[in-house]
Amino acid sequence: QKEVEQNSGPLSVPEGAIASLNCTYSDRGSQSFFWYRQYSGKSPELIMFIYSNGDKEDGRFTAQLNKASQYVSLLIRDSQPSDSATYLCAVHSGAGSYQLTFGKGTKLSVIP
Amino acid sequence: DADVTQTPRNRITKTGKRIMLECSQTKGHDRMYWYRQDPGLGLQLIYYSFDVKDINKGEISDGYSVSRQAQAKFSLSLESAIPNQTALYFCATSGTYEQYFGPGTRLTVT
Repeated sequence: QKEVEQNSGPLSVPEGAIASLNCTYSDRGSQSFFWYRQYSGKSPELIMFIYSNGDKEDGRFTAQLNKASQYVSLLIRDSQPSDSATYLCAVHSGAGSYQLTFGKGTKLSVIP
Repeated sequence: DADVTQTPRNRITKTGKRIMLECSQTKGHDRMYWYRQDPGLGLQLIYYSFDVKDINKGEISDGYSVSRQAQAKFSLSLESAIPNQTALYFCATSGTYEQYFGPGTRLTVT
């Protein structure tokens, strides 16, 4: 069974610091990786995706992928109180499937 | 206008009632999905459809049914609602692999 694991948190960081969110996955054949942000009571919003090993940067967000270690992370630089949300990691296994396997999410709290 | 819309946004119903949740999208995507989300349990896939003629069960399809009326419309029905179906329901669409979610329907079954 394909699994995606995230620390549930809460992860608390002070405003302006770097928040580091981590995700591990069980299916070694996984091809694509996604990070979603979800505010309480709202729908998940796609913020980053990464397909290749290494880093991918988009504004204050950096996604990091290490397929050998089956590990993907999201760094948020200069964290703001508006970044306080639950962050969901999602993994696409490839092999003709269009389903995503979601982790249960890490709750981030940015303290002013 | 939003790319993925869901109606109703909130619904309270009684045990045993039939209820339909509707999803429409203007993204032109072929693939559509229904999820439920419960606190602490994450997103659970109920049904998914890759085109109008292709509908598949997800991990928790018991007690639910779906209808894909058109490329843009995908409805979820609870034939006889029960209290443990109280949850937040999301519709999503995808063109390739990333999924885009509607605003959700908060369903309460009393």
